[in-house]
Amino acid sequence: QVQLQESGPGLVKPSQTLSLTCTVSGGSISSGSYCWNWIRQPAGEGLEWVGRVCNSGGANSHPSLKRRVTISVDTSKNQFSLRLNSVTAADTAVYYCARDPDSTGSFDYWGQGTLVTVSS
Amino acid sequence: QSVLTQPPSASGTPGQRVTISCSGSNSNIGSNYVYWYQQLPGTAPKLLIYRNNQRPSGVPDRFSGSKSGTSASLAISGLRSDDEADYYCAAWDDSLYGVVFGGGTKLTVL
Repeated sequence: QVQLQESGPGLVKPSQTLSLTCTVSGGSISSGSYCWNWIRQPAGEGLEWVGRVCNSGGANSHPSLKRRVTISVDTSKNQFSLRLNSVTAADTAVYYCARDPDSTGSFDYWGQGTLVTVSS
Repeated sequence: QSVLTQPPSASGTPGQRVTISCSGSNSNIGSNYVYWYQQLPGTAPKLLIYRNNQRPSGVPDRFSGSKSGTSASLAISGLRSDDEADYYCAAWDDSLYGVVFGGGTKLTVL
């Protein structure tokens, strides 16, 4: 059974960099035609796709976040990571990592989510 | 403002059938699969429907999805109290080159 678990600081100061890691267990992150995604949800609001990295190669992110987002994979640790720089209060949200076998929005396994608050 | 449009709320009584709509455009729903997610309070979303109308293992057949043109629908029959949740549609958008979500529909079981 595949499991995903987010980890990282729960509090980030404005203008600094938000860094999160998603650890995948129950299978190799590099096997299969999967994309590994980050999705966020501000309190009381809807879901927003942040970006992804795919086993087929390449990473991409939401157009509104593209200049600030880096998503990478560490196959030796079976992890993938999100870096979001120059954060503001608008980046405060629960961040989820999720696996997509279709590469088009079919998120079949999710982490439990981690709350990141941007505040001084 | 979400790229995909859903009604903010829906309701029904136990046993009833309810439908939730999701409206998009040619660059997303019109040319790609639609997915539906159920989010219970305080939990991560759960994949309910994939590839327009397919149910993952373990999802009851009370849940069904359909798509026509640039719109899609989620139907829930035999409504139960534990169906009370937020429901989201999603699709790939060729213009944005990314996944877009609907704003979510809060389903209340009266």
